[in-house]
Amino acid sequence: EVQLLESGGGLVQPGGSLRLSCAASGFTFSNYGMHWVRQAAGKGLEWVSSISATGDGSTKYTDSVRGRFAISRDNSKDTLYLQMDSLRPEDTAVYYCAKGPGSSAFTPSDYWGQGTLVIVSS
Amino acid sequence: DIVMTQSPDSLAVSLGERATINCKSSQSVLYSSKNKNYLGWYQQKPGQPPKLLINWASTRESGVPDRFIGSASGTDFTLTISSLQAEDVAVYYCQQYYSVPFTFGQGTRLEIK
Repeated sequence: EVQLLESGGGLVQPGGSLRLSCAASGFTFSNYGMHWVRQAAGKGLEWVSSISATGDGSTKYTDSVRGRFAISRDNSKDTLYLQMDSLRPEDTAVYYCAKGPGSSAFTPSDYWGQGTLVIVSS
Repeated sequence: DIVMTQSPDSLAVSLGERATINCKSSQSVLYSSKNKNYLGWYQQKPGQPPKLLINWASTRESGVPDRFIGSASGTDFTLTISSLQAEDVAVYYCQQYYSVPFTFGQGTRLEIK
């Protein structure tokens, strides 16, 4: 059974940093592209970032986080990360980790974690 | 950026009746060499993460009831629920994964009439 377990969320002041982690199990993590998607309270879904499977590790970002967030993966630990720096109040959201059905970053998200809440506030 | 526009924003349908949700992309999401539309449909119930129902515009995910049907015509995409069940109450989103940023539609809230 595919499982994705996010952690690392919490309350942080504007300008601060957080690192989200997503522990994967139930599939061969290194074979699949992975995604981060966020959802502000009462709002819709917003794609944040994606990374391809092992190989070139191609990374993609939405414009509003490029240069502030960094996606990475440790295939030896079956773990996906999102390093978030220079956080802004508008980054407040539930952050979901999601798996793609293939090795590319250009895929939908076929399995999702339960999400971790990030609150950016003073 | 590719803009995904869903209609309607909300929809109320009687049990057993057909529900139709539309999604229009501002440009093509068809990968010609693969003849695939890079378009997915998700269902999100309150307090839960989204669930992928349909990918490549019309391919139903394993375990998804066959009352969920995805179709495409150019840049217009449709999710049809052929006979609404009570458990289908949710917000539905389309998403293109053809080009970065992988944009979602604004969502369509489906309720029982």
